[in-house]
Amino acid sequence: KQEVTQIPAALSVPEGENLVLNCSFTDSAIYNLQWFRQDPGKGLTSLLLIQSSQREQTSGRLNASLDKSSGRSTLYIAASQPGDSATYLCAVRGIQGAQKLVFGQGTRLTINP
Amino acid sequence: SQTIHQWPATLVQPVGSPLSLECTVEGTSNPNLYWYRQAAGRGLQLLFYSVGIGQISSEVPQNLSASRPQDRQFILSSKKLLLSDSGFYLCAWSVRLAGGEQFFGPGTRLTVL
Repeated sequence: KQEVTQIPAALSVPEGENLVLNCSFTDSAIYNLQWFRQDPGKGLTSLLLIQSSQREQTSGRLNASLDKSSGRSTLYIAASQPGDSATYLCAVRGIQGAQKLVFGQGTRLTINP
Repeated sequence: SQTIHQWPATLVQPVGSPLSLECTVEGTSNPNLYWYRQAAGRGLQLLFYSVGIGQISSEVPQNLSASRPQDRQFILSSKKLLLSDSGFYLCAWSVRLAGGEQFFGPGTRLTVL
């Protein structure tokens, strides 16, 4: 059974810092991994999708990496801003049961002005 | 561009009452559709997914049911709500291929009293 873990559960940093969020998964047989952002009381916004054959994806100040063999992904946020404050979720889609995304518990990020 | 709608946005219902949540997608055809629940302090859990009209797969046994009467319409129902049904219900869609990126709606906050 796939399990996804995100560490830390919460993170608070001053504005302008570069930061890394971590995601690990137990079964490396995946189609892809997706990073989401969730603002309080809102739905999920897709940030980046990394296919299993890819090593990284970039969008603006965000860079996500994938090391499938070790079951790890990182989300790098450059030059953090208060507007980046949100909960960040990673989710993997396994080859078995390929319709299903398995989510981590999320990292609640606070960027202090 | 594609848009996903959910309604109502919030709902307060007594225990034992029926439930109907609706999700519609615009700007795409033949999508895969998904219902997730996010309970307080817990991660997102896939409840149902559908690959076509009338085709519903259930991930978790419970007193909820789902239906897909039209290609871009997905409905979550219950005949009698339980206290444990409280949570944030999210609808999502993806293109109909394995490993497609999932996009989420704004969610419905359900409180069962």
